[in-house]
Amino acid sequence: DGGITQSPKYLFRKEGQNVTLSCEQNLNHDAMYWYRQDPGQGLRLIYYSQIVNDFQKGDIAEGYSVSREKKESFPLTVTSAQKNPTAFYLCASSIGIRSALYFGPGTRLTVT
Amino acid sequence: SQQGEEDPQALSIQEGENATMNCSYKTSINNLQWYRQNSGRGLVHLILIRSNEREKHSGRLRVTLDTSKKSSSLLITASRAADTASYFCATDEDNNDMRFGAGTRLTVKP
Repeated sequence: DGGITQSPKYLFRKEGQNVTLSCEQNLNHDAMYWYRQDPGQGLRLIYYSQIVNDFQKGDIAEGYSVSREKKESFPLTVTSAQKNPTAFYLCASSIGIRSALYFGPGTRLTVT
Repeated sequence: SQQGEEDPQALSIQEGENATMNCSYKTSINNLQWYRQNSGRGLVHLILIRSNEREKHSGRLRVTLDTSKKSSSLLITASRAADTASYFCATDEDNNDMRFGAGTRLTVKP
């Protein structure tokens, strides 16, 4: 059963703590992405990776970090430097850049 | 920066009616994509239309692209209550990766 998974679905953290969101895909896709969605708004690109061991900043990378050590995995760390981390985080993958995106179910992060 | 702006922001129709949503962009694109999002879920890819295409169909969905006007429209025919969702367009303006607009929230009343 191919797809893209994110865990956990809901995550709660105290301000000042780093937190890592998981994203795994078994679609054999080369490209992976992280987007942030705030209530009633569209998606903003945080980071993307076209290939293992390589990634690029998107439009709102400050306060976030990623790694791409395996083709299947693209974890996102929300650091304490991110000023407003509470949001809905969506991971996606695609065969290549500018191809159709396949999204995971999302992780809703709440920081208090 | 968000690219691709949907219009209207919200649309409410009766079941059976057609729904039309529009997307505009500013520069040049290789392709434009439409996605659907049910509340609190991930996005689902609907249709990809390339810059050299003018129209594509998928079931009850029809997408048009007018590169001279830098705009696209998504038509959902014979809408159903289950079509209630937010619809987003995404573009790769200036050879960037896909960037999304703020979406159109569609409500289909039974």
